[in-house]
Amino acid sequence: GAVVSQHPSWVICKSGTSVKIECRSLDFQATTMFWYRQFPKQSLMLMATSNEGSKATYEQGVEKDKFLINHASLTLSTLTVTSAHPEDSSFYICSARERGIAGGPRTQYFGPGTRLLVL
Amino acid sequence: GDSVTQMEGPVTLSEEAFLTINCTYTATGYPSLFWYVQYPGEGLQLLLKATKADDKGSNKGFEATYRKETTSFHLEKGSVQVSDSAVYFCALSRAGGYNKLIFGAGTRLAVHP
Repeated sequence: GAVVSQHPSWVICKSGTSVKIECRSLDFQATTMFWYRQFPKQSLMLMATSNEGSKATYEQGVEKDKFLINHASLTLSTLTVTSAHPEDSSFYICSARERGIAGGPRTQYFGPGTRLLVL
Repeated sequence: GDSVTQMEGPVTLSEEAFLTINCTYTATGYPSLFWYVQYPGEGLQLLLKATKADDKGSNKGFEATYRKETTSFHLEKGSVQVSDSAVYFCALSRAGGYNKLIFGAGTRLAVHP
């Protein structure tokens, strides 16, 4: 089946540092990847949509300069939280949408998530 | 805009009880509908999906039927197990564009022996 990995699974960092999270589709090509943020006991909030080879599309209210997204290949997207602060502490989840027939339904497969704690 | 509404949890059941988690949606056109499950500390796993009206998605004993007339996609299981304890998310995706998923708030299920 389609597998998406994230690395690291846990990260603790000091305030002011930058953290990079990787999202990889292991056995399929993903032209589109999504980044979500989830607060404790809440639903997922879409942060941005990342397309291979182009700039990410950010949702309203998400700071582009704060959350840098790079989708360098069909199997890798990265999210960098720049100058992280305690309020950035959260569970970050990526998903990858398989490359399929144009116009057809395409399932998103989710990574296991990365828990970020900023001290 | 598009939205998904789920019944509030937590839902607490005894093992082998019948489960229903209600989900209704608002969307233009004919979205695809999904149920995802999240186990503690993990990401989301696709549980089942339906892409058109009257389709029934099923997996691991769970079922949901796409009801266009009631704009619903209720999740059911005949006999729950302790291992089903998790948070369940209903979601929709409209065709075209980047197929963004819109999630409901999630319903926490706790199954006791």
